[in-house]
Amino acid sequence: ETGVTQTPRHLVMGMTNKKSLKCEQHLGHNAMYWYKQSAKKPLELMFVYSLEERVENNSVPSRFSPECPNSSHLFLHLHTLQPEDSALYLCASSQERGQGPWPQHFGDGTRLSIL
Amino acid sequence: GDSVTQMEGPVTLSEEAFLTINCTYTATGYPSLFWYVQYPGEGLQLLLKATKADDKGSNKGFEATYRKETTSFHLEKGSVQVSDSAVYFCALAGRRALTFGSGTRLQVQP
Repeated sequence: ETGVTQTPRHLVMGMTNKKSLKCEQHLGHNAMYWYKQSAKKPLELMFVYSLEERVENNSVPSRFSPECPNSSHLFLHLHTLQPEDSALYLCASSQERGQGPWPQHFGDGTRLSIL
Repeated sequence: GDSVTQMEGPVTLSEEAFLTINCTYTATGYPSLFWYVQYPGEGLQLLLKATKADDKGSNKGFEATYRKETTSFHLEKGSVQVSDSAVYFCALAGRRALTFGSGTRLQVQP
C-alpha cells in the first residue's frame, strides 16, 4: 500500500474513444504528477500540479488533458489517442518543501493499450 | 539540463552475489539523489535517498553514497536474493520533479 491509488489498472481503448485515468493520494501531499513509462525509455514527466495549479506541462500532445480538482485527486483525460500512446501511466505525489528532499510516492500505474 | 545515466541491463547474478549498479548524473548544483525499485506489475517504490555530498543512503541491505567529485550514486548490495529481481531506477530531484535514468533490470537466479 503506497498511499497512491490509480484506477483502472488496465485499460484497452480504440483510437476514437474517450476515457479518463484517475489517481487519488491519501498522504496529505500538495503536489501530484503524471509520468509515462514506455518500454526501453526513461520515465517521461508529463504534468506537474502544485497546490492544484498546473506548474509544468512537458510538451505533451493536447490529446492528453489533465485535471486536478483538489490536492488529493488527479485525472488524465484521454481522447483520440495513437498506438504510440500505449504505455504504463504512473501517478505520483509529494510534499513540496522548497529546496529540501521530497521523494515522490508512486501508484501502481494504469497499463494503457490503444487498438 | 539535468540527466541521469545508468548502466544498461539486464544484470544477471546468482543468489548471494555482490551487486553494483552504476549511476552518474549531470545537474546544476547538488540535487537530492534517489534510487527507486519497480517490481513486476507495480509502480516505483523509493528504495533509498541522499540529500548532500558524502551522504550514504541505505535500506534493505542496499547502499548508495553521494559522490560529488565523480557525480555518481552507485547502488550496492553485498548479497542479493531472488526477491531482489526488479528494475532499479536512479533519479535526481529537479526544480519541479524527478529526472530518472532509463532503469536497470536485475535478475537473480537461485
